[in-house]
Amino acid sequence: DVKVTQSSRYLVKRTGEKVFLECVQDMDHENMFWYRQDPGLGLRLIYFSYDVKMKEKGDIPEGYSVSREKKERFSLILESASTNQTSMYLCAAHTGTPNEQYFGPGTRLTVT
Amino acid sequence: GENVEQHPSTLSVQEGDSAVIKCTYSDSASNYFPWYKQELGKRPQLIIDIRSNVGEKKDQRIAVTLNKTAKHFSLHITETQPEDSAVYFCAASKNGNEKLTFGTGTRLTIIP
Repeated sequence: DVKVTQSSRYLVKRTGEKVFLECVQDMDHENMFWYRQDPGLGLRLIYFSYDVKMKEKGDIPEGYSVSREKKERFSLILESASTNQTSMYLCAAHTGTPNEQYFGPGTRLTVT
Repeated sequence: GENVEQHPSTLSVQEGDSAVIKCTYSDSASNYFPWYKQELGKRPQLIIDIRSNVGEKKDQRIAVTLNKTAKHFSLHITETQPEDSAVYFCAASKNGNEKLTFGTGTRLTIIP
């Protein structure tokens, strides 16, 4: 069974802290994605990666960076957390068959 | 870049009636259009998709139609049931395994 896991379901951090959100997939697929989900704004793409060491900016990359050192792991980094980064963060991996982006359970991040 | 608009943002339908959600996209190069369903507290999951070489696709009570000329596509749910209550997202991409641009979502409520 396909599996995408995220390191935390809930996270509370202070303004200015460096935050790491981890995502691991067991599908041996190259394509991985980070989204944030906010009410009324849908799912917005932050960064994506099509291969190890490769990363591409999505639609809202400002304030974020990513790391893809291994195929199965894609990390989202908030260099200096701010209150406007309070959100639900969803990681996804592309499965191939079916042609689906399989989402992780999400991390609800609160920055105070 | 691609822009996907989705309407309505909320929809209430009597159980047994039909529901229709509409999306428009801006990039004529987009050729893959999936729909995701997100139940409360759960991850988004693919429910149906359509490629630009097809005008309509059905899967039991759900169907998707695509009008390439007008650049819009729609989700149709017939004989709605309480378990259809969820948030639905449309999306578009240039290639099925590449990044998706999502709409802002429609909260569908089925009234018993």
